[in-house]
Amino acid sequence: AQKITQTQPGMFVQEKEAVTLDCTYDTSDQSYGLFWYKQPSSGEMIFLIYQGSYDEQNATEGRYSLNFQKARKSANLVISASQLGDSAMYFCAMRVFNAGGTSYGKLTFGQGTILTVHP
Amino acid sequence: DVKVTQSSRYLVKRTGEKVFLECVQDMDHENMFWYRQDPGLGLRLIYFSYDVKMKEKGDIPEGYSVSREKKERFSLILESASTNQTSMYLCASSRTATEAFFGQGTRLTVV
Repeated sequence: AQKITQTQPGMFVQEKEAVTLDCTYDTSDQSYGLFWYKQPSSGEMIFLIYQGSYDEQNATEGRYSLNFQKARKSANLVISASQLGDSAMYFCAMRVFNAGGTSYGKLTFGQGTILTVHP
Repeated sequence: DVKVTQSSRYLVKRTGEKVFLECVQDMDHENMFWYRQDPGLGLRLIYFSYDVKMKEKGDIPEGYSVSREKKERFSLILESASTNQTSMYLCASSRTATEAFFGQGTRLTVV
């Protein structure tokens, strides 16, 4: 079974500063993908960034980067130059790709971290 | 853009009612999912479907059933709604391993 742990229920950051949201995962599978989603108060889940377990480079998407440390089983999200609109709930998630192909794309989610950006 | 549409943003139902939550996607995705979201628990998988008329239980299927008669539509059914099913329900769809697209969510209150 897979497990995702986000140990920070809430985080605060000053506008224009960088912030790191922690995510650790547990799986015995070798092939998997890690996702980060943003959920504003309106409720929709917005995809931010994806990292595959065999990707050699850390993923980046604009102001978002994923600090992937495979040996430590961590996949922290780094948001640079925070903006007021970044205030939201953030979820880390994992999808396992097994040889039998039976995962069908199921995502396992962490508990989430609420980020508040102060002006 | 991929669109996943859930039929209602907010629903209020009475205990014991049969409740249908509908989800439609417009990108011909094979895989569709229903999650529920509760504070402190993140999103938990209720059911998923990898093809028409195919379904698999997720982590918390008790009290729920699903229907997928057409590829684009995946329905979640609460056979007899109870107050502990008050929650946010999110539908998602995907075709490849590196994507998952979500609907806007349905906030269900059972009174």
